Parts: sequence; C-alpha cells; structure tokens
Amino acid sequence: DADVTQTPRNRITKTGKRIMLECSQTKGHDRMYWYRQDPGLGLRLIYYSFDVKDINKGEISDGYSVSRQAQAKFSLSLESAIPNQTALYFCATSDSTGTYGYTFGSGTRLTVV
Amino acid sequence: AQSVTQLGSHVSVSEGALVLLRCNYSSSVPPYLFWYVQYPNQGLQLLLKYTSAATLVKGINGFEAEFKKSETSFHLTKPSAHMSDAAEYFCAVTFSGGYNKLIFGAGTRLAVHP
Repeated sequence: DADVTQTPRNRITKTGKRIMLECSQTKGHDRMYWYRQDPGLGLRLIYYSFDVKDINKGEISDGYSVSRQAQAKFSLSLESAIPNQTALYFCATSDSTGTYGYTFGSGTRLTVV
Repeated sequence: AQSVTQLGSHVSVSEGALVLLRCNYSSSVPPYLFWYVQYPNQGLQLLLKYTSAATLVKGINGFEAEFKKSETSFHLTKPSAHMSDAAEYFCAVTFSGGYNKLIFGAGTRLAVHP
C-alpha cells in the first residue's frame, strides 16, 4: 500500500457542487498538507495541519476548507466548486521537523465544469 | 520570507548531454533545499535534499546538486541525460523550526530528444 493515499484519483464535478477530496497516510506523521498544482505555477499550499487540533491556512485557502479527522486522515473540501478550481491536488505528509522532505500522494485531478 | 525561482520553464537536451536545471532561493535563515521529480500522471518523488551537511548532494538516478550560499543557488545536474529523465522538476525550500512549510518553485519541464 502507498504511504499516502488520495481518493478519488479523478473527478469531474459541476459548478456550485460541494466536493470532498480525501487523504490518508500510514507514515505515522503528525504533519499533513494540501497543495494545488497548476501549469506554470508549481505547487501552492492550500492548508496544513501540524496535529489533529492545529490547522492553518496556506497561501490560497479561499474557497476551500479542511478537516483533520485523525492523525492519519486529512480531507479537503470545496464548498461550492468553480471552474478556476480545476487543478491537480496533492496531499503530503512530513515528520515533526518538516526538514527531511515530504511524502506525496499520487494526486487527484479535479475538473469543474 | 522564503521563495524559490527556477530559471527556465522548459529545458530541452539531447540524449547523453549534460542536464542543468537552475534553482535560486531566497531565505533569511539557513535553508533546507530539495529537488522533486514528477513523471507524467504521477505524484512527486524526492530526488535529493540539502540539510546543512555536505554542500554537494547526490540523489537518485544519477542526479546531484550543489548548495552555493554565496550565489543562493541549488542547481540540479546530471552528466548524461537519458530518455527516461523527461519529466517536470521542482525545487523547494523550507527552514528549521516554527510553522515551516515547503515552498515550491514553478517547475522546469525537461525534454530529452534522441
């Protein structure tokens, strides 16, 4: 099994719909992250969580919310999807220092029509 | 604040030629630097990392990078490109302590032609 599992892998949804992307990890790490990848922009941080009770906004959190259900689970929600949220979304985890590199999931490709 | 600049969004090399992907960083504290690779339709894989030990860092698949503090650079090189190296490469920076996060550059897409 993968260290970081994201579901679904691909999703097409309509404008205005609520959608949840899920992430689970088996690394036993406290820290988890959600990034968004757009061509030419690299990866931008949406939200991050350093433990179950510590959730923080990243640089592009507007239009998104998160839930840390357990140490191993961190979900991302789009409350009312819009077309410019079409992107590739990555979940990642790191150890408590955050300085040894992150482990990434395989990504969720989301299309909002 | 930390930031990363990758010079060249697209780089094209011939098979067997030197690969050089440029990364410059900005950081007010000692940085930790990383290179990740993303193959088509896959997630990100860690190539190598600089964590304040040796300035020349060797990674997987024959890649290496050199940390140059005076130039604020962490360029990625490989002596001889293979077709299988075609991918997108991301440079990233973080720092020790506090609410540190991994900040990515915009990425460089490497094409390798016969």
